[in-house]
Amino acid sequence: QPVLTQPPSASGTPGQRVTMSCSGSSSNIGSNHVTWYQHFPGTAPTLLMYRNNQRPSGVPDRFSGSKSGTSASLAISGLQSEDEADYYCVAWDDSLKGLLFGGGTKLTVL
Amino acid sequence: EVQLLESGGGLVQPGGSLRLSCAASRFTFKDYAMTWVRQAPGKGLEWVSGISASGAISYHADSVKGRFTISRDNSKSTLYLQMNTLRAEDTAIYYCAKDLNFGSGTYDTFDLWGQGTMVTVAS
Repeated sequence: QPVLTQPPSASGTPGQRVTMSCSGSSSNIGSNHVTWYQHFPGTAPTLLMYRNNQRPSGVPDRFSGSKSGTSASLAISGLQSEDEADYYCVAWDDSLKGLLFGGGTKLTVL
Repeated sequence: EVQLLESGGGLVQPGGSLRLSCAASRFTFKDYAMTWVRQAPGKGLEWVSGISASGAISYHADSVKGRFTISRDNSKSTLYLQMNTLRAEDTAIYYCAKDLNFGSGTYDTFDLWGQGTMVTVAS
């Protein structure tokens, strides 16, 4: 069963740079774009990054995305307390013909 | 204001049925693919179903295939999720979301989300 694997947690101090990984396979990340969502519990998720490294308008350039092979990563530079949230990577899976969400990474700003 | 508003959630017994609705406003609903995503208590986000702008093409997660059906009524700017044979593991907040792309959907990039409706499956 195809899955997207994310570390369950990440942390950093204000001003630091933090990266989060998302590992998949040839049927998902390896052949499709990766999207990232930011989710504050109790609210609706918001689009953070699409087509691997494209920021929607309104998302600060402190956020950046990349993809290589069957893995992707999200980086946040100049970490701020308001960045404390859950982050999910997403990719379409060609063998499942369905969308996969990673398990999510909970970011804590110390 | 551009928005999505879900309704229809509630408490239902195992084996029961429920239909969720998602009313869209202030954008041309018929031009965008739509999706349902859920979050079970204490768990991460999970994709449920997606549907093309016209409604001709739909996809469902294996976990709901054969039990849930996504549909839309473009004349009413409303998205639906018919949920049958509900199980305890279907308990979750259900979000509807709008595709970023006009016309042919990405099915993975959603730029507008509703606030969610809670579904609880319990006896």
